[in-house]
Amino acid sequence: GQNIDQPTEMTATEGAIVQINCTYQTSGFNGLFWYQQHAGEAPTFLSYNVLDGLEEKGRFSSFLSRSKGYSYLLLKELQMKDSASYLCAVGGSNDYKLSFGAGTTVTVRA
Amino acid sequence: EAGVTQFPSHSVIEKGQTVTLRCDPISGHDNLYWYRRVMGKEIKFLLHFVKESKQDESGMPNNRFLAERTGGTYSTLKVQPAELEDSGVYFCASSRTNRVVGTEAFFGQGTRLTVV
Repeated sequence: GQNIDQPTEMTATEGAIVQINCTYQTSGFNGLFWYQQHAGEAPTFLSYNVLDGLEEKGRFSSFLSRSKGYSYLLLKELQMKDSASYLCAVGGSNDYKLSFGAGTTVTVRA
Repeated sequence: EAGVTQFPSHSVIEKGQTVTLRCDPISGHDNLYWYRRVMGKEIKFLLHFVKESKQDESGMPNNRFLAERTGGTYSTLKVQPAELEDSGVYFCASSRTNRVVGTEAFFGQGTRLTVV
């Protein structure tokens, strides 16, 4: 089975940094994804980690520790448009299938 | 390049009625996936097509759900008869390769189904 946990909500100030943690226990592992989803819109791909370490892409970075079953998404220099739901997802042993966490709603305040 | 499109964006039906959701994948994507998110829960896998063939339908809730992809292009997901617990957002995704692991999967905006 798959068990993926992430906080339900986070609030931060414009210009600040927010870190969204994700822990997982899955049968098989073929990488960890982060998606961003604005209300009523499609989830859009942000990052992918399959090896331990930090992947940086502009204002967004994602970290993975496979031994700890842990990942985080780091959002820097927060902007109002970053207010959205952030979904942690794991690719399992069948690598065509994603298992998602419930999502973290991030609210950016001025 | 057009993205994954889903129709309708919203549907409200009465318990016992039939609803058909449609997904048009990105052109050239042989792989098509259906996912569902019920209220307050996580997005869950329903099934996977490669062209017109069902590769994995292990996530389909029960036999009231029928997915088709005739001709290997667009796909439909029919719920008949609909029950209250079927309410949720149904997402479609597509990928060129037979691996959603990586960066290849693109999601549609979803169909919000409400059964009353």
